[in-house]
This record gives sequence, C-alpha cells and structure tokens, in this order.
Amino acid sequence: AQSVTQPDIHITVSEGASLELRCNYSYGATPYLFWYVQSPGQGLQLLLKYFSGDTLVQGIKGFEAEFKRSQSSFNLRKPSVHWSDAAEYFCAVGAGSNYQLIWGAGTKLIIKP
Amino acid sequence: KAGVTQTPRYLIKTRGQQVTLSCSPISGHRSVSWYQQTPGQGLQFLFEYFSETQRNKGNFPGRFSGRQFSNSRSEMNVSTLELGDSALYLCASSWDGYVGTDTQYFGPGTRLTVL
Repeated sequence: AQSVTQPDIHITVSEGASLELRCNYSYGATPYLFWYVQSPGQGLQLLLKYFSGDTLVQGIKGFEAEFKRSQSSFNLRKPSVHWSDAAEYFCAVGAGSNYQLIWGAGTKLIIKP
Repeated sequence: KAGVTQTPRYLIKTRGQQVTLSCSPISGHRSVSWYQQTPGQGLQFLFEYFSETQRNKGNFPGRFSGRQFSNSRSEMNVSTLELGDSALYLCASSWDGYVGTDTQYFGPGTRLTVL
C-alpha cells in the first residue's frame, strides 16, 4: 500500500537559516509527489509538485524539492527561512487511481527570531 | 477567480445528530474531493466526485456520504455523529481530479465539533 512518512513532527529553525523537511514515500510505480503548506486556520496551499522529468522542482515562496528515486525521498528545502514560513508542511503522493492523495503526518515548522 | 468556499466554517453538534457541509468549487472545476483532518489520524481521503458521480471512496463508514450537483457544488453528510467525527473537513476542487496532471485547490475547511 502507498504511504508517506514525514519523520519530523516539529522542526525549529532560526530566521535566515536554511531549511530541509524530509519526506519518504512508498509507492510501486513512478509517483506523483506534492508539498502543501497549511497556515493556522487555513486550508492547504500547493507549494510544488513532481510529475516527471527534472528531479529538482522549484515552487512558490522560494521553496524547492528534490526527487530521489533511489532513496524514495522528496525533501523540501529553502535556503533562508522567514518568520512568515512558520506553518505546517505536508508531503503527499498521488495514489491508487490517482484521483486521491495520500498524506504524510505533517511537519510543524517553528521559526526562532 | 474566486477560490474554493466552504460553509459553514464552524459547527457544533451533539452526538447522534447529523450534519451537512457544503463546498463550492472554483468556477469550471468539475472534480470535488473531501478530506478529514484530525490530530490523531492526519489527513484522510473521504471521497471524490466528478460530474455528479462518486468516483473514489476512502475507508470511512457508511455514515459518511456525499453528493455533487450539476453546478459541481458538493455536499457531504455525516449521520449519527460520534465524538470521533470532530475534525476539520477540507474540500478540494480541480478540473478533472487526476492528480497526475491537475492541481487540487483547497478550501479553508469546516471545523466540526461533536459534543
């Protein structure tokens, strides 16, 4: 069965420091991979997605992610975080008939001033 | 272009009651998906509708149901509410629902509290 693992429940980063959020997936075929962000009281906003091709994907708000098939990973990175990046981040994989998303548990990002 | 809207934003019900939540997709989108989000279980897929037909269903009991109207608006219904149904219910719309080529846009959610 398809699954997504985000091993870090919380991550604390100083403002201006770099960020990497981990995501590992289990899926038999080539996956469709996504990162979403959820701010408190808000819905989910798509940051970026990987379907095929270039394994380094650029997204909104300065985020990027790299697909590594050999490691079944799709880690999210940002070179310098801002206080406004504090939110919960979810990794997801398109699964089954590919009309639904399977979600990781989320990583809450805390920014230290 | 208006985003996905969900009504109501907040609901308080008691055990045994039923509830109906509404979702209006982005204009032109024909697929609507519903997800339940709880601290313990995270985000879980409920069902997906396309052109008034349920195409996919997650692993939820029959108390959870939904429908889609000809204008693509969707409702989900939960009957005989249980305490464990307290959650944020998120609706997402997309053009055709195929996550391989399409993007799901989420509404702000309906926060349901069951007392």
